[in-house]
Amino acid sequence: EAGVVQSPRYKIIEKKQPVAFWCNPISGHNTLYWYLQNLGQGPELLIRYENEEAVDDSQLPKDRFSAERLKGVDSTLKIQPAELGDSAVYLCASSLENTEAFFGQGTRLTVV
Amino acid sequence: GDSVTQMEGPVTLSEEAFLTINCTYTATGYPSLFWYVQYPGEGLQLLLKATKADDKGSNKGFEATYRKETTSFHLEKGSVQVSDSAVYFCALRGSSGDKLTFGTGTRLAVRP
Repeated sequence: EAGVVQSPRYKIIEKKQPVAFWCNPISGHNTLYWYLQNLGQGPELLIRYENEEAVDDSQLPKDRFSAERLKGVDSTLKIQPAELGDSAVYLCASSLENTEAFFGQGTRLTVV
Repeated sequence: GDSVTQMEGPVTLSEEAFLTINCTYTATGYPSLFWYVQYPGEGLQLLLKATKADDKGSNKGFEATYRKETTSFHLEKGSVQVSDSAVYFCALRGSSGDKLTFGTGTRLAVRP
């Protein structure tokens, strides 16, 4: 069974440009998470979806970040415009109900 | 709110040495506890878990026991291998069953 798939793996952009990350969760997993992992830190939740509904987006900087999960499957996280401080690894994870979360390999974003 | 504190690294050991990585938590109710591992260039992988007090999670020679009286979930392995070199994250899922809260991670380096 395929795991959580994220793309791209790496992205380098100039500041003030937009960027988007894509996530395909494990088939049948109703819960999807986007986490931010800064260098040397643990992941921090940005947004959590239950099916297509964002049930926790309290940590998402809504002035520049947006996310969607159409049809309750794939999800896209967007940053517009990107800032230097957004350089980090963006992790997507999925789970079935309240069981353990499975993580993708992440997208490493570098803003120059 | 929920929080996880784990020992800072890096931890450097010789092959076949005994490993302990300390983890303590703060949470209301009865959280589930997890250890995730991140090998170089890879995503987070679930290593083991425990869902109630006195449970012992184990996998690949690693063990951790859910100690509610000391709010701890220390990771142990009797004999480490070079292939265990990675970053280890302690995490909890609160009793409301929503997000995972992670510690800052502990980097383990095992020398031949």
